[in-house]
Amino acid sequence: DSGVTQTPKHLITATGQRVTLRCSPRSGDLSVYWYQQSLDQGLQFLIHYYNGEERAKGNILERFSAQQFPDLHSELNLSSLELGDSALYFCASSFHRGKANYGYTFGSGTRLTVV
Amino acid sequence: GENVEQHPSTLSVQEGDSAVIKCTYSDSASNYFPWYKQELGKGPQLIIDIRSNVGEKKDQRIAVTLNKTAKHFSLHITETQPEDSAVYFCAASKAGANNLFFGTGTRLTVIP
Repeated sequence: DSGVTQTPKHLITATGQRVTLRCSPRSGDLSVYWYQQSLDQGLQFLIHYYNGEERAKGNILERFSAQQFPDLHSELNLSSLELGDSALYFCASSFHRGKANYGYTFGSGTRLTVV
Repeated sequence: GENVEQHPSTLSVQEGDSAVIKCTYSDSASNYFPWYKQELGKGPQLIIDIRSNVGEKKDQRIAVTLNKTAKHFSLHITETQPEDSAVYFCAASKAGANNLFFGTGTRLTVIP
Protein backbone atom coordinates (compact mmCIF):
# COMPACT_ATOMS: atom_id res chain seq x y z
CA ASP A 1 0.00 0.00 0.00
CA SER A 2 1.59 3.24 -1.20
CA GLY A 3 -0.54 5.45 1.07
CA VAL A 4 -2.28 7.09 -1.91
CA THR A 5 -5.85 5.83 -2.22
CA GLN A 6 -7.78 5.94 -5.46
CA THR A 7 -11.41 4.98 -5.88
CA PRO A 8 -13.01 3.32 -7.65
CA LYS A 9 -10.49 0.79 -9.00
CA HIS A 10 -12.62 0.04 -12.04
CA LEU A 11 -15.33 2.01 -13.78
CA ILE A 12 -17.37 1.10 -16.84
CA THR A 13 -19.64 3.72 -18.30
CA ALA A 14 -21.32 4.70 -21.55
CA THR A 15 -20.31 7.41 -23.99
CA GLY A 16 -21.68 10.83 -23.10
CA GLN A 17 -21.75 10.11 -19.40
CA ARG A 18 -19.93 11.85 -16.56
CA VAL A 19 -17.77 10.21 -13.90
CA THR A 20 -15.81 11.32 -10.85
CA LEU A 21 -12.54 9.77 -9.79
CA ARG A 22 -11.35 10.27 -6.25
CA CYS A 23 -7.88 10.44 -4.74
CA SER A 24 -6.71 10.69 -1.14
CA PRO A 25 -3.04 11.67 -0.93
CA ARG A 26 -0.47 10.20 1.40
CA SER A 27 -0.64 11.65 4.90
CA GLY A 28 1.30 14.91 5.02
CA ASP A 29 1.49 15.41 1.26
CA LEU A 30 0.03 18.69 0.04
CA SER A 31 0.38 18.15 -3.71
CA VAL A 32 -1.83 15.99 -5.88
CA TYR A 33 -1.12 15.22 -9.53
CA TRP A 34 -3.38 13.50 -12.05
CA TYR A 35 -2.05 11.45 -14.95
CA GLN A 36 -3.69 9.57 -17.80
CA GLN A 37 -2.16 6.39 -19.16
CA SER A 38 -3.68 4.89 -22.29
CA LEU A 39 -2.93 1.34 -23.41
CA ASP A 40 0.82 0.89 -23.84
CA GLN A 41 1.32 4.62 -23.60
CA GLY A 42 3.32 6.80 -21.29
CA LEU A 43 2.13 8.96 -18.46
CA GLN A 44 0.31 12.06 -19.68
CA PHE A 45 0.22 14.84 -17.11
CA LEU A 46 -3.22 16.33 -16.63
CA ILE A 47 -3.19 18.71 -13.67
CA HIS A 48 -1.44 19.57 -10.38
CA TYR A 49 -3.00 20.91 -7.20
CA TYR A 50 -1.11 22.18 -4.17
CA ASN A 51 -2.94 22.74 -0.91
CA GLY A 52 -6.22 23.40 -2.68
CA GLU A 53 -4.90 25.60 -5.46
CA GLU A 54 -4.34 24.68 -9.08
CA ARG A 55 -0.62 24.93 -9.84
CA ALA A 56 -0.14 23.55 -13.32
CA LYS A 57 -2.13 22.20 -16.23
CA GLY A 58 -0.97 19.71 -18.78
CA ASN A 59 -2.82 18.13 -21.65
CA ILE A 60 -6.17 18.20 -19.92
CA LEU A 61 -9.27 18.39 -22.10
CA GLU A 62 -11.89 21.05 -21.47
CA ARG A 63 -14.34 18.22 -20.73
CA PHE A 64 -12.17 17.30 -17.75
CA SER A 65 -11.89 19.24 -14.51
CA ALA A 66 -10.42 18.68 -11.08
CA GLN A 67 -10.38 20.14 -7.63
CA GLN A 68 -8.65 19.64 -4.31
CA PHE A 69 -10.68 19.97 -1.16
CA PRO A 70 -9.69 21.40 2.27
CA ASP A 71 -8.99 17.88 3.56
CA LEU A 72 -6.57 17.59 0.59
CA HIS A 73 -8.39 14.83 -1.23
CA SER A 74 -8.88 15.48 -4.92
CA GLU A 75 -11.48 14.62 -7.50
CA LEU A 76 -11.10 14.39 -11.27
CA ASN A 77 -14.35 14.93 -13.16
CA LEU A 78 -14.64 13.57 -16.69
CA SER A 79 -17.72 14.55 -18.69
CA SER A 80 -19.19 13.90 -22.14
CA LEU A 81 -17.10 10.75 -22.19
CA GLU A 82 -15.81 9.37 -25.45
CA LEU A 83 -14.42 5.94 -26.30
CA GLY A 84 -10.94 7.46 -26.45
CA ASP A 85 -11.13 8.45 -22.81
CA SER A 86 -10.78 4.82 -21.83
CA ALA A 87 -7.53 4.65 -19.89
CA LEU A 88 -5.86 4.22 -16.54
CA TYR A 89 -6.03 7.38 -14.46
CA PHE A 90 -3.38 7.76 -11.79
CA CYS A 91 -3.20 10.11 -8.91
CA ALA A 92 0.13 10.87 -7.26
CA SER A 93 1.03 12.92 -4.24
CA SER A 94 4.23 14.52 -3.05
CA PHE A 95 5.66 16.48 -0.18
CA HIS A 96 7.46 19.76 -0.75
CA ARG A 97 10.16 21.08 1.53
CA GLY A 98 11.71 24.35 0.42
CA LYS A 99 13.10 24.10 -3.10
CA ALA A 100 14.09 20.47 -2.88
CA ASN A 101 12.29 18.03 -5.11
CA TYR A 102 10.94 14.75 -3.95
CA GLY A 103 9.51 11.88 -5.91
CA TYR A 104 5.86 11.20 -6.34
CA THR A 105 3.93 8.42 -4.65
CA PHE A 106 1.39 6.97 -7.03
CA GLY A 107 -1.91 5.35 -6.26
CA SER A 108 -2.93 2.08 -7.89
CA GLY A 109 -5.09 3.87 -10.45
CA THR A 110 -8.65 3.84 -11.71
CA ARG A 111 -9.27 1.88 -14.89
CA LEU A 112 -11.97 3.66 -16.88
CA THR A 113 -13.69 1.86 -19.70
CA VAL A 114 -16.08 3.82 -21.90
CA VAL A 115 -18.42 1.65 -23.97
CA GLY B 1 9.29 23.12 -21.09
CA GLU B 2 11.34 20.06 -20.31
CA ASN B 3 11.49 17.19 -22.82
CA VAL B 4 12.63 13.77 -21.65
CA GLU B 5 13.50 11.09 -24.18
CA GLN B 6 13.91 7.45 -23.16
CA HIS B 7 15.50 4.51 -24.99
CA PRO B 8 14.99 1.73 -25.74
CA SER B 9 11.22 1.31 -25.72
CA THR B 10 11.57 -2.44 -25.22
CA LEU B 11 14.44 -4.49 -23.82
CA SER B 12 14.80 -8.22 -23.38
CA VAL B 13 17.65 -9.75 -21.41
CA GLN B 14 18.55 -13.17 -20.10
CA GLU B 15 18.25 -13.73 -16.39
CA GLY B 16 21.51 -12.78 -14.72
CA ASP B 17 22.54 -10.31 -17.41
CA SER B 18 22.61 -6.54 -16.98
CA ALA B 19 20.08 -4.07 -18.36
CA VAL B 20 20.68 -0.41 -19.16
CA ILE B 21 18.02 2.19 -19.90
CA LYS B 22 19.01 5.65 -21.06
CA CYS B 23 17.28 9.02 -20.87
CA THR B 24 18.13 12.49 -22.10
CA TYR B 25 16.66 15.78 -20.96
CA SER B 26 16.54 19.20 -22.55
CA ASP B 27 16.36 21.71 -19.67
CA SER B 28 19.77 22.35 -18.12
CA ALA B 29 17.99 23.66 -15.00
CA SER B 30 16.64 20.20 -14.20
CA ASN B 31 18.27 18.86 -11.07
CA TYR B 32 16.22 15.90 -9.88
CA PHE B 33 15.97 12.61 -11.75
CA PRO B 34 13.83 9.77 -10.38
CA TRP B 35 13.18 6.34 -11.87
CA TYR B 36 9.90 4.48 -11.55
CA LYS B 37 8.99 0.83 -12.00
CA GLN B 38 5.47 -0.05 -13.07
CA GLU B 39 4.34 -3.63 -12.74
CA LEU B 40 1.30 -4.88 -14.59
CA GLY B 41 -1.92 -3.45 -13.18
CA LYS B 42 -0.15 -1.29 -10.61
CA GLY B 43 0.86 2.30 -10.25
CA PRO B 44 4.46 3.40 -10.87
CA GLN B 45 6.74 2.98 -7.87
CA LEU B 46 9.83 5.07 -7.16
CA ILE B 47 12.87 2.80 -7.17
CA ILE B 48 15.80 5.20 -7.14
CA ASP B 49 16.50 8.88 -7.68
CA ILE B 50 19.51 11.11 -8.15
CA ARG B 51 20.13 14.81 -7.72
CA SER B 52 22.41 16.90 -9.86
CA ASN B 53 25.06 17.29 -7.18
CA VAL B 54 26.11 13.64 -7.54
CA GLY B 55 27.15 11.59 -10.54
CA GLU B 56 26.16 8.11 -9.44
CA LYS B 57 23.96 6.41 -6.89
CA LYS B 58 23.61 2.71 -6.09
CA ASP B 59 21.05 0.66 -4.23
CA GLN B 60 21.83 -3.04 -4.25
CA ARG B 61 21.40 -4.25 -7.86
CA ILE B 62 20.28 -0.93 -9.29
CA ALA B 63 22.31 2.17 -10.00
CA VAL B 64 21.73 5.46 -11.72
CA THR B 65 24.37 7.62 -13.39
CA LEU B 66 24.07 11.25 -14.38
CA ASN B 67 26.07 13.24 -16.91
CA LYS B 68 25.03 16.89 -16.52
CA THR B 69 27.23 18.10 -19.34
CA ALA B 70 25.64 15.75 -21.84
CA LYS B 71 22.24 16.01 -20.15
CA HIS B 72 21.66 12.32 -19.91
CA PHE B 73 21.12 9.80 -17.16
CA SER B 74 20.89 6.03 -17.12
CA LEU B 75 19.45 3.21 -15.05
CA HIS B 76 21.59 0.10 -14.62
CA ILE B 77 20.19 -3.16 -13.30
CA THR B 78 22.69 -5.93 -12.64
CA GLU B 79 22.06 -9.65 -12.14
CA THR B 80 18.55 -9.29 -13.52
CA GLN B 81 15.79 -11.50 -12.18
CA PRO B 82 12.35 -12.34 -13.63
CA GLU B 83 10.72 -10.07 -11.05
CA ASP B 84 12.58 -7.14 -12.62
CA SER B 85 10.27 -7.50 -15.64
CA ALA B 86 8.17 -4.31 -15.74
CA VAL B 87 7.89 -0.94 -17.45
CA TYR B 88 10.48 1.57 -16.27
CA PHE B 89 10.01 5.34 -16.52
CA CYS B 90 12.63 8.02 -16.10
CA ALA B 91 11.67 11.56 -15.14
CA ALA B 92 13.19 14.99 -14.59
CA SER B 93 12.29 18.15 -12.76
CA LYS B 94 13.91 21.36 -11.62
CA ALA B 95 14.17 23.01 -8.23
CA GLY B 96 10.92 24.44 -6.98
CA ALA B 97 8.92 23.19 -9.94
CA ASN B 98 7.90 19.84 -8.49
CA ASN B 99 6.33 18.81 -11.78
CA LEU B 100 7.95 15.67 -13.08
CA PHE B 101 8.41 15.26 -16.81
CA PHE B 102 8.32 11.58 -17.68
CA GLY B 103 10.00 9.62 -20.43
CA THR B 104 7.90 7.33 -22.60
CA GLY B 105 8.84 4.17 -20.73
CA THR B 106 10.89 1.01 -21.35
CA ARG B 107 9.30 -2.42 -21.19
CA LEU B 108 11.94 -4.73 -19.70
CA THR B 109 11.51 -8.47 -20.04
CA VAL B 110 13.86 -10.78 -18.17
CA ILE B 111 13.89 -14.23 -19.74
CA PRO B 112 14.39 -17.08 -17.23
